[in-house]
Amino acid sequence: QVQLVQSGAEVKKPGASVKVSCKASGYTFTSYYMHWVRQAPGQGLEWMGIINPSGGSTSYAQKFQGRVTMTRDTSTSTVYMELSSLRSEDTAVYYCSLGSSLERWLIDYWGQGTLVTVSS
Amino acid sequence: QSALTQPASVSGSPGQSITISCTGTSSDVGSYNLVSWYQQHPGKAPKLMIYEGSKRPSGVSNRFSGSKSGNTASLTISGLQAEDEADYYCCSYAGSSTLVFGTGTKVTVL
Repeated sequence: QVQLVQSGAEVKKPGASVKVSCKASGYTFTSYYMHWVRQAPGQGLEWMGIINPSGGSTSYAQKFQGRVTMTRDTSTSTVYMELSSLRSEDTAVYYCSLGSSLERWLIDYWGQGTLVTVSS
Repeated sequence: QSALTQPASVSGSPGQSITISCTGTSSDVGSYNLVSWYQQHPGKAPKLMIYEGSKRPSGVSNRFSGSKSGNTASLTISGLQAEDEADYYCCSYAGSSTLVFGTGTKVTVL
């Protein structure tokens, strides 16, 4: 069965960077796109971007352009999301989520989420 | 990209039907048959309930149904049950290799 296991909670200072990992199993890693979605405390879901694990190509939401980098390691079936120049508004739960076999723009599996807290 | 617009809250009594709207634009909801709906209980990851506007994944109750007209998609929950109390989010492909979520709706079962 599909499993997306994310790295643990992080506490960062403003201006720092954070790198969250998401290890995939239960399917062919390079066959399905991976999304990153975040959710600030008490707020809604916000799409950050998508990565093609096969070739590594990415597309980011305009809001995060220049601050986010999504990468993958096919040898370990892991995708990464790095967010730089952190500010307090970046405090959120960050989810990796799998694009469907039907359509890459349909998310049908979610990781457990990683809480990133930005505080001085 | 601006978030799709949903009502902040919707409520209903057990057994009743409720409908949640999701209003976008001709650049997202109105242009693509790629609207999905997610249910999220507190502290949990979202769960896919409807995809391609009106299709249900296996295992999702047929009490959940979806539709779309123009720039507005809708999720209807019929025979409302206590377990349906949760937050619901719509989501649409928005062109240019981007996705956009709705603002979210809190469903309360009275």
